[in-house]
Amino acid sequence: QKEVEQNSGPLSVPEGAIASLNCTYSDRGSQSFFWYRQYSGKSPELIMSIYSNGDKEDGRFTAQLNKASQYVSLLIRDSQPSDSATYLCAVNTEFNAGGTSYGKLTFGQGTILTVHP
Amino acid sequence: ETGVTQTPRHLVMGMTNKKSLKCEQHLGHNAMYWYKQSAKKPLELMFVYSLEERVENNSVPSRFSPECPNSSHLFLHLHTLQPEDSALYLCASSQDFRQDGDTQYFGPGTRLTVL
Repeated sequence: QKEVEQNSGPLSVPEGAIASLNCTYSDRGSQSFFWYRQYSGKSPELIMSIYSNGDKEDGRFTAQLNKASQYVSLLIRDSQPSDSATYLCAVNTEFNAGGTSYGKLTFGQGTILTVHP
Repeated sequence: ETGVTQTPRHLVMGMTNKKSLKCEQHLGHNAMYWYKQSAKKPLELMFVYSLEERVENNSVPSRFSPECPNSSHLFLHLHTLQPEDSALYLCASSQDFRQDGDTQYFGPGTRLTVL
């Protein structure tokens, strides 16, 4: 069973602080990693993707990937109350069907982030 | 929400009913997916279609039956469901799931309640 584990929440940070969300995965062959944000009652929304080791920055968001440690994280700088949501880590893992290998997304259980004023 | 749309947004059904969920993607993608999201559990992949060809997922009960008439439309037919099937059902699409880095985009979901 290929698994994706996220740090247990909920995580609460004050407005303006850095929120750090962590994720580990078991499939060493995974090459694609995604962070989705899901507001309560809504569907997941892609916020970041990362494929290479190191950091990738997009505005206030930074994704970090370390394939050797099988670890991916998301940092949110200058956190705002509007960032309050569940953050889902998703990892592209391999599965087999009909004798052919495909990639599929395996999701972590999510981390609930609350940014309080 | 013009990328991936789903109808209905909410559905309440009895255990003996038959209903269908509909998904439509306007992104020109080749792959479509059904996911189930239950409270306190990770998103569970149910079915994958690529160019209208179904990729089996053997862990899904037969009371869920998918249909993909073309690359833009995906249905999930439901019959004799159980209360534990109550969940948010999400449709997603992507360009080509065989390619590394392929990104999935989600519809708004159907909130299903089975009485």
